[in-house]
Amino acid sequence: AQKVTQAQTEISVVEKEDVTLDCVYETRDTTYYLFWYKQPPSGELVFLIRRNSFDEQNEISGRYSWNFQKSTSSFNFTITASQVVDSAVYFCALSEAGGNTGKLIFGQGTTLQVKP
Amino acid sequence: DGGITQSPKYLFRKEGQNVTLSCEQNLNHDAMYWYRQDPGQGLRLIYYSQIVNDFQKGDIAEGYSVSREKKESFPLTVTSAQKNPTAFYLCASSPVQGITYEQYFGPGTRLTVT
Repeated sequence: AQKVTQAQTEISVVEKEDVTLDCVYETRDTTYYLFWYKQPPSGELVFLIRRNSFDEQNEISGRYSWNFQKSTSSFNFTITASQVVDSAVYFCALSEAGGNTGKLIFGQGTTLQVKP
Repeated sequence: DGGITQSPKYLFRKEGQNVTLSCEQNLNHDAMYWYRQDPGQGLRLIYYSQIVNDFQKGDIAEGYSVSREKKESFPLTVTSAQKNPTAFYLCASSPVQGITYEQYFGPGTRLTVT
């Protein structure tokens, strides 16, 4: 069965600290996609990144970076020099059935609080 | 501006009443989705539609119904058969059917049933 686990329920950091959000997934598919979304207090989910299973290159976008390791089935997300505006719930998600249905399986989410 | 609209943002209903949540997109996306989010939990898929006049049940479809008569609209009805309807409901769309592109989400509707 496919599953996404975000073991960290809540994380609290002080502004300018680096923070890593963990995501571990389970799938038997050889082709799959992984995603990260941010949900600020307003409620709307904001897309951050999409990665397919054949691309293990790490990615950096400004203060955000993602580490994809198939060997450990992990897709971790790091925020460098965190800011108060980064406070949100972050979700990791996995595509189902190789991506043919368009369905996503979401983790439970990690609530990040960045204190000034 | 292109995007997804959900209305209303807050909705209150009495137990035993059906209620319909609106979802409209002007992104020309083929696929649309409805999710339910409960406090401290991830999103769970209720229904999805990859093309007009066709839709499939998600993981928690019981007590819900949908229609997809137009590409841009995917309304969700929460029926009186849904045992715990109070939740945050999110609608999403993605560009292409059958291939996993990122999903774009609306602002959500918070439904409270008393």
